Amino acid sequence: ETGVTQTPRHLVMGMTNKKSLKCEQHLGHNAMYWYKQSAKKPLELMFVYNFKEQTENNSVPSRFSPECPNSSHLFLHLHTLQPEDSALYLCASSHLAGNNNEQFFGPGTRLTVL
Amino acid sequence: AQKITQTQPGMFVQEKEAVTLDCTYDTSDPSYGLFWYKQPSSGEMIFLIYQGSYDQQNATEGRYSLNFQKARKSANLVISASQLGDSAMYFCAMREAEYTGTASKLTFGTGTRLQVTL
Repeated sequence: ETGVTQTPRHLVMGMTNKKSLKCEQHLGHNAMYWYKQSAKKPLELMFVYNFKEQTENNSVPSRFSPECPNSSHLFLHLHTLQPEDSALYLCASSHLAGNNNEQFFGPGTRLTVL
Repeated sequence: AQKITQTQPGMFVQEKEAVTLDCTYDTSDPSYGLFWYKQPSSGEMIFLIYQGSYDQQNATEGRYSLNFQKARKSANLVISASQLGDSAMYFCAMREAEYTGTASKLTFGTGTRLQVTL
């Protein structure tokens, strides 16, 4: 595997379900991010992890719970979601050092909440 | 607060022609970085090009160039010799602080959908 991978690619869940999204980066980066992309809205940053430490929580509801066990893996645990949470969830990673330290994105998980 | 504005929801360009995608930004930080990403229908965001606020020259990467006009706070993406595979959504993004050793927070625009025609 290369780059940033995300599983599953598609997920349909009911409002009472509990599910988890997984992200793995194979780039040796030390920062990881979760973004939400809803239709006709800009990407919204949800969480930022810097060397496994959460450094940003962008006023995300508690029904979204991130976990970063090491610098290569990032999870987003979902429970009691709402239909408006249906969106594309994108994971990204980056170096901390360097000038531009661009973020590399995974293919996303398309989530549908019924 | 930072803000990115992309005023073109959709653009058409003929194959082999050049196209400019507009991006304006607003920030009070003297130091910042500007990015362009491409998002094909598959969903993955692909990094295209970067411009730092202190860079003296416009950034170029292959067929992509960034027309950076700092005084006007614009960072337009120019794609030369368009190809059918260039059809995608294009997002402009900004990060506060050009040089950073911390995880970077990106602010994205709403995107421009580019369609390349024969």
